[in-house]
Amino acid sequence: AQKITQTQPGMFVQEKEAVTLDCTYDTSDQSYGLFWYKQPSSGEMIFLIYQGSYDEQNATEGRYSLNFQKARKSANLVISASQLGDSAMYFCAMREISNFGNEKLTFGTGTRLTIIP
Amino acid sequence: DTAVSQTPKYLVTQMGNDKSIKCEQNLGHDTMYWYKQDSKKFLKIMFSYNNKELIINETVPNRFSPKSPDKAHLNLHINSLELGDSAVYFCASSQLGLADWSSYEQYFGPGTRLTVT
Repeated sequence: AQKITQTQPGMFVQEKEAVTLDCTYDTSDQSYGLFWYKQPSSGEMIFLIYQGSYDEQNATEGRYSLNFQKARKSANLVISASQLGDSAMYFCAMREISNFGNEKLTFGTGTRLTIIP
Repeated sequence: DTAVSQTPKYLVTQMGNDKSIKCEQNLGHDTMYWYKQDSKKFLKIMFSYNNKELIINETVPNRFSPKSPDKAHLNLHINSLELGDSAVYFCASSQLGLADWSSYEQYFGPGTRLTVT
């Protein structure tokens, strides 16, 4: 079963507008973490933002914020004042830790964001 | 300073060959990973090592054999390469901090693009 769902395969946004990238997740764990990574055309994976399941406030990092709605199991990424350099693939991921301490990062299928000048 | 490095960056080889990809991290992390990103950009974990011990093996064919000579290195050896092995392989590392979830970030290497002809 898909644990991380990103329903937007591609998005086009005008420069300087805000954009929301959707991510829903499925877990029965009480403790988990949610991440967003950016992958530009050059291929590297760049960490953007993290939200822990016990964090009461939404995470923010500069122009990035995470709209965490625990009851709805969603962790949407909001990019304010988009820039041309934001054009990239964006991946949502969930960290799970088993009772034995094993950890795993499961990724969604990604959203390709294109910023239009 | 490069945090997580991989060599080679590109690898082109013929079916049936055996090849290795090397990964090194200078972050002092305890845990290292190998991920495979297919042509549709889907990222999936293959292996996880913690302090040189295999923690996760996600139903990867036994033609793939990870080797960790020390906790700073995790190499991936692939025997009898097949066309379907063509992908980008990412190495990553993290410091699993159960007491501080915010310190979890996985640092990714630049990726190795493997093409099997």
